[in-house]
Amino acid sequence: GENVEQHPSTLSVQEGDSAVIKCTYSDSASNYFPWYKQELGKRPQLIIDIRSNVGEKKDQRIAVTLNKTAKHFSLHITETQPEDSAVYFCAASRYSTLTFGKGTMLLVSP
Amino acid sequence: ETGVTQTPRHLVMGMTNKKSLKCEQHLGHNAMYWYKQSAKKPLELMFVYNFKEQTENNSVPSRFSPECPNSSHLFLHLHTLQPEDSALYLCASSQDRTARDVEQYFGPGTRLTVT
Repeated sequence: GENVEQHPSTLSVQEGDSAVIKCTYSDSASNYFPWYKQELGKRPQLIIDIRSNVGEKKDQRIAVTLNKTAKHFSLHITETQPEDSAVYFCAASRYSTLTFGKGTMLLVSP
Repeated sequence: ETGVTQTPRHLVMGMTNKKSLKCEQHLGHNAMYWYKQSAKKPLELMFVYNFKEQTENNSVPSRFSPECPNSSHLFLHLHTLQPEDSALYLCASSQDRTARDVEQYFGPGTRLTVT
């Protein structure tokens, strides 16, 4: 089955800095890659996603890149703000079954 | 948010108890999911239902028994659990398990503690 590795497990940045979280996947047939944000005590929520026919997608301060050949994808957050502090999960999907990474705790210090 | 609701939000039970978790979605979705979220582990998919039919059981022990009476409701029946089953149990729904748009909407979760 699919295996998703996510790094780093914890990331601390200063407000205004950029943050990058990286994931690799094992199943070359995976074709959908969402990112979820989970704030403390809250439910995971989709923040951005990318499909295998696209190499990059951007939504304001967040962007995701996908390298199908290398089977890795990354989340980029620019101009980080304290409210970006949360756990971020990547996932890979084939036929709608999501396999999640272990999560990255992002801490943004004012 | 009221799209996907779960009750109870917190549950403490002994190993010999029987309890049920409930999930309800108001989004008109046809697929529903149970996940287990433990500390320092990835979200683990437990069960998938599509149009009320169970389509996936991810090698979950039989002490967890799902039930999906209709596309809006999903239950997880618990009996003779172990302390290692303590976790946050998340319900999610999506438009259709086979649809290209597979965004899953999560409920707030039930924090389960087995004593």
